[in-house]
Amino acid sequence: ETGVTQTPRHLVMGMTNKKSLKCEQHLGHNAMYWYKQSAKKPLELMFVYNFKEQTENNSVPSRFSPECPNSSHLFLHLHTLQPEDSALYLCASSQARIRAYEQYFGPGTRLTVT
Amino acid sequence: QQQVKQSPQSLIVQKGGISIINCAYENTAFDYFPWYQQFPGKGPALLIAIRPDVSEKKEGRFTISFNKSAKQFSLHIMDSQPGDSATYFCAASQGSSNTGKLIFGQGTTLQVKP
Repeated sequence: ETGVTQTPRHLVMGMTNKKSLKCEQHLGHNAMYWYKQSAKKPLELMFVYNFKEQTENNSVPSRFSPECPNSSHLFLHLHTLQPEDSALYLCASSQARIRAYEQYFGPGTRLTVT
Repeated sequence: QQQVKQSPQSLIVQKGGISIINCAYENTAFDYFPWYQQFPGKGPALLIAIRPDVSEKKEGRFTISFNKSAKQFSLHIMDSQPGDSATYFCAASQGSSNTGKLIFGQGTTLQVKP
């Protein structure tokens, strides 16, 4: 595997379900990010982790719970989501601090909440 | 203050023509301005980036022009090709804050007709 991988690529879940999105980066980076991409809206930064520590929570509802067990893996735990949470969820990684604007994105997980 | 405004929303260009996408920002604390390219089914990929102390940066057919006083920057794609058809996002980063926080524009969908 190379780059940034995300699983699953597609997910359909009911409003009462609990599911998790997984991201893995094979680039030796030490910063990881979750973004939400909705139609007709800019990419929205959700969370930032630097060296496994959360450094940014962009006012994300608590029904989204991130976890970063090490610099290579990032999870997004989902529970009691709303239909408006349906979107493409993108994971990205970069070198922390130096050139942090140079982010490498995975292909995303297309989430549909029914 | 934190927004980056991008225009046009969509753009159709003939093969060989010049594609121009514009962005504007308000926050003078931004100090990196990357452009990302996204193909359907893929995550965004860094295309080119510029710092505000540089007025122009060119990489191959892609050029960023930066006007610090007007707080505007633009992407020019010279000799546009059908393979350039994608969605383009401008972004701004407070690199000096080292958080990796990127603020994205709304995106421009470019179609290059053969």
